[in-house]
Amino acid sequence: DIQMTQSPSTLSASVGDRVTITCRASQSISSWLAWYQQKPGKAPKLLIYKASSLESGVPSRFSGSGSGTEFTLTISSLQPDDFATYYCQQYNSYSLTFGGGTKVEIK
Amino acid sequence: EVQLVESGGGLVQPGGSLRLSCAASGFTFSSYDMHWVRQATGKGLEWVSAIGTAGDTYYPGSVKGRFTISRENAKNSLYLQMNSLRAGDTAVYYCASSGKDAFDIWGQGTMVTVSS
Repeated sequence: DIQMTQSPSTLSASVGDRVTITCRASQSISSWLAWYQQKPGKAPKLLIYKASSLESGVPSRFSGSGSGTEFTLTISSLQPDDFATYYCQQYNSYSLTFGGGTKVEIK
Repeated sequence: EVQLVESGGGLVQPGGSLRLSCAASGFTFSSYDMHWVRQATGKGLEWVSAIGTAGDTYYPGSVKGRFTISRENAKNSLYLQMNSLRAGDTAVYYCASSGKDAFDIWGQGTMVTVSS
């Protein structure tokens, strides 16, 4: 199975900060990577698919980049609504796998 | 409105069985691959199973041989039959569709607790 490693696991930031989360795959997944945001008690929400495509309705401050084994999710200017946990997920091949998550906390 | 609604969760004893359902509305259910994803309390997301539009199925090793995913397109419904349940299967179970291959629509989840 392809292992997905996210870093950091926790991130403390302030409103207005630029935030970057990294996801590494144990083998190449081309651009078959998605990013999700999850708030407590809620289902995950798709933010980015195919590594860099912004899901409809998602604010443009979210962006994704990378290919192969290294990927990043960037929030250009952190907003109060962005404090949440973020997960990457590969869908290059079954078994589909998620990263361990990055919790973005208020500094 | 595009929607997925899960049902069927509850408390079950170790070794027992449970069948989850997911009702889809607002999109052409038969045209999409469908998935189950679970999340134990305070833990990350784990993909549990997938079924393609042609009925092909996929499972991770942790549930293979115990869980069976199925779909009934005429009823816009997805199912997960879970047998030989263990304490480690305790989680919120979400159904999700993969319209862009990624999971673009999620249900609200149903809680499964395996305990004596």
